[in-house]
Amino acid sequence: EPEVTQTPSHQVTQMGQEVILRCVPISNHLYFYWYRQILGQKVEFLVSFYNNEISEKSEIFDDQFSVERPDGSNFTLKIRSTKLEDSAMYFCASRLSGAGTGELFFGEGSRLTVL
Amino acid sequence: DAKTTQPNSMESNEEEPVHLPCNHSTISGTDYIHWYRQLPSQGPEYVIHGLTSNVNNRMASLAIAEDRKSSTLILHRATLRDAAVYYCILRLLQGAQKLVFGQGTRLTINP
Repeated sequence: EPEVTQTPSHQVTQMGQEVILRCVPISNHLYFYWYRQILGQKVEFLVSFYNNEISEKSEIFDDQFSVERPDGSNFTLKIRSTKLEDSAMYFCASRLSGAGTGELFFGEGSRLTVL
Repeated sequence: DAKTTQPNSMESNEEEPVHLPCNHSTISGTDYIHWYRQLPSQGPEYVIHGLTSNVNNRMASLAIAEDRKSSTLILHRATLRDAAVYYCILRLLQGAQKLVFGQGTRLTINP
């Protein structure tokens, strides 16, 4: 069964460092998303991406965050200068179609720990 | 985004049916009702969705009230593997069609 894969599974970084989290969505999917989940809290939407541009972003997704689909297969989330509060599990998701009922497929997540 | 209300937690026994309720009194005509679940240490996973009619799939059934202001996810025969947080989410047809997660219901299954 096709799946969304994310790397790394866990990254530890120092405050102020840049981090790139990578995702390989399901190959024929068209819509891509990043979510995050701080430990013990709910899953929060960060950004959605379609047709090589951001289609929607949340208040969390400020200038420190960026997304890119550099080569038609990878979908990356970059955090320019990490803060302690960026420590969370980051989930990538993808969806096939424009129809409103299409399910989102989530990856296993990348755990980011900022020290 | 229209809001949903779910109990914080529920408990059931293995091999018994489980009925997980969700209230969505402000649902609009174009909102689909989606259910996702999150197993421990995993990403969310699609369970089922519906608009007006009851729906069945291999994982669960979704019963939707006639006025659409509430719905119930039914696990017909719970297993230990069904222990998870279950999220009831209203999904708009417009825009990015993102999912907005609430706190969900933490389901515990007793052996």
